[in-house]
Amino acid sequence: DIQMTQSPSSLSASVGDRVTITCQASQDISNYLNWYQQKPGKAPKLLIYDASNLETGVPSRFSGSGSGTDFTFTISSLQPEDIATYYCQQYDNLLSFGGGTKVEIK
Amino acid sequence: QVQLQESGPGLVKPSQTLSLTCTVSGGSISSGDYYWSWIRQPPGKGLEWIGYIYYSGSTYYNPSLKSRVTISVDTSKNQFSLKLSSVTAADTAVYYCATPGYWGQGTLVTVSS
Repeated sequence: DIQMTQSPSSLSASVGDRVTITCQASQDISNYLNWYQQKPGKAPKLLIYDASNLETGVPSRFSGSGSGTDFTFTISSLQPEDIATYYCQQYDNLLSFGGGTKVEIK
Repeated sequence: QVQLQESGPGLVKPSQTLSLTCTVSGGSISSGDYYWSWIRQPPGKGLEWIGYIYYSGSTYYNPSLKSRVTISVDTSKNQFSLKLSSVTAADTAVYYCATPGYWGQGTLVTVSS
């Protein structure tokens, strides 16, 4: 099975800061990667699919890049409503999730 | 707009079988080549994929749970179901059903005597 290593596990940043999360796959997954946002008590919400495509209705401050084994998720200007836990998920071979990154406001 | 809704007991005794159903509305479970997943999240922890099924009935499971999991589909009811056998407290979690782009709201299942 494919292991997804996500880092950091948590971060604290100020409003307006650029935030970057990385996700590394244990083998080549091409671009078969999603990024999700999960707020407390809610189901995860898809933000980015196919590594870099923005889901309809998602603000453009969210972006994703990468292919193969190394991927990056970026919030260009952190907003208070972005406080959440973010997960990467591969779907190249079955499904598996990264461990999550909890984003807090400094 | 596809909607998914989980249903089933919120409390299961240790060693028993957890059974949940996901009802799909706003779309047919038989249309398209989509997979229908079960995913769980223990309290305060991350997401774990359990398995998925295609409308044809083909199933794929997380190797770590495969010996205890059965996922089935009922296209006539537009539902798919999860059975997890021999549960322990470690199986306490919010269980989600999902398909690409859409998730249910989740249902908490507690394993306790």
